[in-house]
Amino acid sequence: AQSVTQLGSHVSVSEGALVLLRCNYSSSVPPYLFWYVQYPNQGLQLLLKYTTGATLVKGINGFEAEFKKSETSFHLTKPSAHMSDAAEYFCAVSPDTGRRALTFGSGTRLQVQP
Amino acid sequence: DAGVIQSPRHEVTEMGQEVTLRCKPISGHDYLFWYRQTMMRGLELLIYFNNNVPIDDSGMPEDRFSAKMPNASFSTLKIQPSEPRDSAVYFCASSSGQAPFFGPGTRLTVL
Repeated sequence: AQSVTQLGSHVSVSEGALVLLRCNYSSSVPPYLFWYVQYPNQGLQLLLKYTTGATLVKGINGFEAEFKKSETSFHLTKPSAHMSDAAEYFCAVSPDTGRRALTFGSGTRLQVQP
Repeated sequence: DAGVIQSPRHEVTEMGQEVTLRCKPISGHDYLFWYRQTMMRGLELLIYFNNNVPIDDSGMPEDRFSAKMPNASFSTLKIQPSEPRDSAVYFCASSSGQAPFFGPGTRLTVL
């Protein structure tokens, strides 16, 4: 079985500040990990994914995440927040890249203050 | 490519009525997923298909829900009869073995 825990249902940062969204996972097999972003009234858009290889993954819009097996974590970061980053972010885990269903965390809503 | 297409985008119906949600996956994708999003339960997998065959339907809430994929370019999720607790946003996603692409969702309201 797999599960994801996202710490903090709401995170607020100032524009230009560091963004850190936390994700911890549980998996009995090597995990594939994903971050998706959801803007209001829209579907989910893939930010980045970890499959194998390099543990630091770079995604779109300046986001990156680091897979830390010892900490079972996959935290999402961005050095400088922009107003357009305000959205809900979901971490997900799967036993495969796209051939199995994803298990999602409960989401973190990011607010960016001017 | 137009991405994953879902229809309708919004559906309002009365309790007891039949509801059919539709999904057209991205051409060439052989995996199709149906998810439901609610405030209380977050994003839940309902069912997924591979090459039009259902692989895992353990997330389908009860017999009132059924899903079909008659061909590679079309899937339906049907609720009969609908109940107020079925109100949610229903997402379809498709994949070719990479990360799934999500559609815009259907917001269902059952009165």
